[in-house]
Amino acid sequence: DGGITQSPKYLFRKEGQNVTLSCEQNLNHDAMYWYRQDPGQGLRLIYYSQIVNDFQKGDIAEGYSVSREKKESFPLTVTSAQKNPTAFYLCASRTGENEQFFGPGTRLTVL
Amino acid sequence: RKEVEQDPGPFNVPEGATVAFNCTYSNSASQSFFWYRQDCRKEPKLLMSVYSSGNEDGRFTAQLNRASQYISLLIRDSKLSDSATYLCVVNSWGGNTPLVFGKGTRLSVIA
Repeated sequence: DGGITQSPKYLFRKEGQNVTLSCEQNLNHDAMYWYRQDPGQGLRLIYYSQIVNDFQKGDIAEGYSVSREKKESFPLTVTSAQKNPTAFYLCASRTGENEQFFGPGTRLTVL
Repeated sequence: RKEVEQDPGPFNVPEGATVAFNCTYSNSASQSFFWYRQDCRKEPKLLMSVYSSGNEDGRFTAQLNRASQYISLLIRDSKLSDSATYLCVVNSWGGNTPLVFGKGTRLSVIA
């Protein structure tokens, strides 16, 4: 089955810890994206990568980091510098003008 | 002016009603347009692409007016299962550049 997987589904973190959210796609899509969604709010773009070994900051990149070493993978690290990391994190992929697919998301809670 | 604007709702309608959502976009050079559906605590999923000539998929009709930079979604014979948030999405800058998402319009269909 082609698609995007994200893990874990739920993640709990203590303040001051870095955590890495996984995102893998087998759709052979060139571009991948990370979004954050807070309750009752719209999607906000964190980082995106249009091609392997390249990525750009989105609207709210502060406190986050990414890598794109393989076409299939685009992990997101939430660092301790992110002031309010509790949110729903969505990964997506797409090529060109076509449909964008989303993974099922990771719910991060900081304790 | 925001890049993509939608009425946030909520729209509360009885089963069987017809409901219309509107969306405006600011970049006249935008190339592709979509409506996504997002259920509570789930990832967005493509409902339909929007073509220049307008298109229909069962009870759903999407229309694009490039001159007015306006997109619409019409839902006929609403079902309880149509209750969700509907996102207007625009590929403003082409290629693999990030899609621009509206904040969504919430629909509740009531028995």
